[in-house]
Amino acid sequence: EAGVAQSPRYKIIEKRQSVAFWCNPISGHATLYWYQQILGQGPKLLIQFQNNGVVDDSQLPKDRFSAERLKGVDSTLKIQPAKLEDSAVYLCASSSTEYEQYFGPGTRLTVT
Amino acid sequence: KQEVTQIPAALSVPEGENLVLNCSFTDSAIYNLQWFRQDPGKGLTSLLLIQSSQREQTSGRLNASLDKSSGRSTLYIAASQPGDSATYLCATRMYNQGGKLIFGQGTELSVKP
Repeated sequence: EAGVAQSPRYKIIEKRQSVAFWCNPISGHATLYWYQQILGQGPKLLIQFQNNGVVDDSQLPKDRFSAERLKGVDSTLKIQPAKLEDSAVYLCASSSTEYEQYFGPGTRLTVT
Repeated sequence: KQEVTQIPAALSVPEGENLVLNCSFTDSAIYNLQWFRQDPGKGLTSLLLIQSSQREQTSGRLNASLDKSSGRSTLYIAASQPGDSATYLCATRMYNQGGKLIFGQGTELSVKP
């Protein structure tokens, strides 16, 4: 079974630029999560989708972050414009139950 | 609001030593608690999941315990090996939150040969 795929793996941008991350969950998984992990901290949930609907986006900075999940499969997370404090690893996870989540390798973003 | 804390932030031990990683949480009404391993540049790998009704779970050299009343969990690693070097994260799931995980900040473990 293929795991959660994410791209790109690394991205370096200047502040005020925009960036997009892509996630392809495990086939058949209805729930998709985006987490932000700042260096030295644990992951923090940004947004959770159930199929193509948003379940929880309470910690998503909506003035600069947006996310979508078209057709309930792939998802894209966008930051526009980026700030220095957005430097982090962005992890995508998917699940078919509330008991488990499977994580992708993450995208490491550096904002200079 | 649930807060999860892990102590220590970093730990260095010689190979072969038994060790304990600590995790504490403020809201004891958890659905389950999960321990993950994170290797540099990689995603999270699930190690053990303890349901709220359970006291412990074991997998190989790993044993995780859960004491809901005191808001604590421990991960015990027996006979540590250099390959155990990684960051260990604990996370809680609450009821009726769609499976969302709330993570501690992790313990970075280094096992020296």
